[in-house]
Amino acid sequence: AQTVTQSQPEMSVQEAETVTLSCTYDTSESDYYLFWYKQPPSRQMILVIRQEAYKQQNATENRFSVNFQKAAKSFSLKISDSQLGDAAMYFCAYTKNTDKLIFGTGTRLQVFP
Amino acid sequence: GAVVSQHPSRVICKSGTSVKIECRSLDFQATTMFWYRQFPKQSLMLMATSNEGSKATYEQGVEKDKFLINHASLTLSTLTVTSAHPEDSSFYICSASSGQGIAYEQYFGPGTRLTVT
Repeated sequence: AQTVTQSQPEMSVQEAETVTLSCTYDTSESDYYLFWYKQPPSRQMILVIRQEAYKQQNATENRFSVNFQKAAKSFSLKISDSQLGDAAMYFCAYTKNTDKLIFGTGTRLQVFP
Repeated sequence: GAVVSQHPSRVICKSGTSVKIECRSLDFQATTMFWYRQFPKQSLMLMATSNEGSKATYEQGVEKDKFLINHASLTLSTLTVTSAHPEDSSFYICSASSGQGIAYEQYFGPGTRLTVT
């Protein structure tokens, strides 16, 4: 069965600095999708970034980028120039095509001024 | 685009009563809707997957007679918690997928906080 592991329950970063959130997953599939979702205190789930497993190039969305290592089954999220508004729970998630999303346990990110 | 609403945002009910939560896709047709439950400081736990016009598929351990899911149209799914008890108090989140686009992306509603007294 597929699993998603986030080994960092909490992380903190100073404003304007860079932070990396870790995620590993386990699957026997070769074609799948990975996501990072942000859940701020409002609890609205917001898609931060997605990665298609067949793409070798790491996805980037403005200050957010991923380091996708398919062989190692690793999918970390890097947040550059951290802002106070980045403070939230971050969930890594996996899906195979139209199948259900499997979420990690989450990492709480604190941003200090 | 791709907005999903939930109603109500908060509900308090007495033990033994039933409560219905609505999930609507406002600007797209949702072929598949998902219902999640989230306990404080925990991750989202998938309860069930529903396709329009079909019976919902429940995850292991989720009581289908207690959590009734109806997906009668391409824009509306409902979750009814029957004979609610305090342990059913939780945050319930729905998501919807159009079955199109990149990775059949799920769009999430804002959630419903259920408190059973």
